[in-house]
Amino acid sequence: SQKIEQNSEALNIQEGKTATLTCNYTNYSPAYLQWYRQDPGRGPVFLLLIRENEKEKRKERLKVTFDTTLKQSLFHITASQPADSATYLCALTGTASKLTFGTGTRLQVTL
Amino acid sequence: DAGITQSPRHKVTETGTPVTLRCHQTENHRYMYWYRQDPGHGLRLIHYSYGVKDTDKGEVSDGYSVSRSKTEDFLLTLESATSSQTSVYFCAISDWRQGESGELFFGEGSRLTVL
Repeated sequence: SQKIEQNSEALNIQEGKTATLTCNYTNYSPAYLQWYRQDPGRGPVFLLLIRENEKEKRKERLKVTFDTTLKQSLFHITASQPADSATYLCALTGTASKLTFGTGTRLQVTL
Repeated sequence: DAGITQSPRHKVTETGTPVTLRCHQTENHRYMYWYRQDPGHGLRLIHYSYGVKDTDKGEVSDGYSVSRSKTEDFLLTLESATSSQTSVYFCAISDWRQGESGELFFGEGSRLTVL
């Protein structure tokens, strides 16, 4: 069956460092991969989208890579700030309109 | 912020009672979705709609039904609530088009507790 894996353990990093979150998938050939941010008690908010034929996408301090051979996406936040603390979700979609989400990784940025 | 409103935001009910959650959008997006979010499972799709009166099942649709009689409203009904349906329910909308991948815009969630 299709499976999306994100590290369930929280990632703790110091302010100013680069945070790297991983999204692995199996039995899936996604055409698109998206990353969302979710704060406690709130709905997820869209951050970035990357297509299967793109290797890398950047937006301000965010960078996403997509390796369809390894079946993996990496999500980087450079110069992390305490305000970046949240849960980050990856989501995959094929050519249909439905997104399948991973369980998310909680990021904690400390001073 | 995308205009999505979920109601009620919090509800406590008893096993066996019917429950309806409402999602209202002001964006005129074609697609609407209901997800539930539980610890260890993440967001799971219950049902979605691709137009008025057009709906389809997601991966966890058992025990749930939906209706969409207007573009702006998508209702999720639990005919007879069970404790396993205690969860946070999120509505989302999308302007997805063939060949593209529209991002989802989520509501604030509805926390349902079934005693």
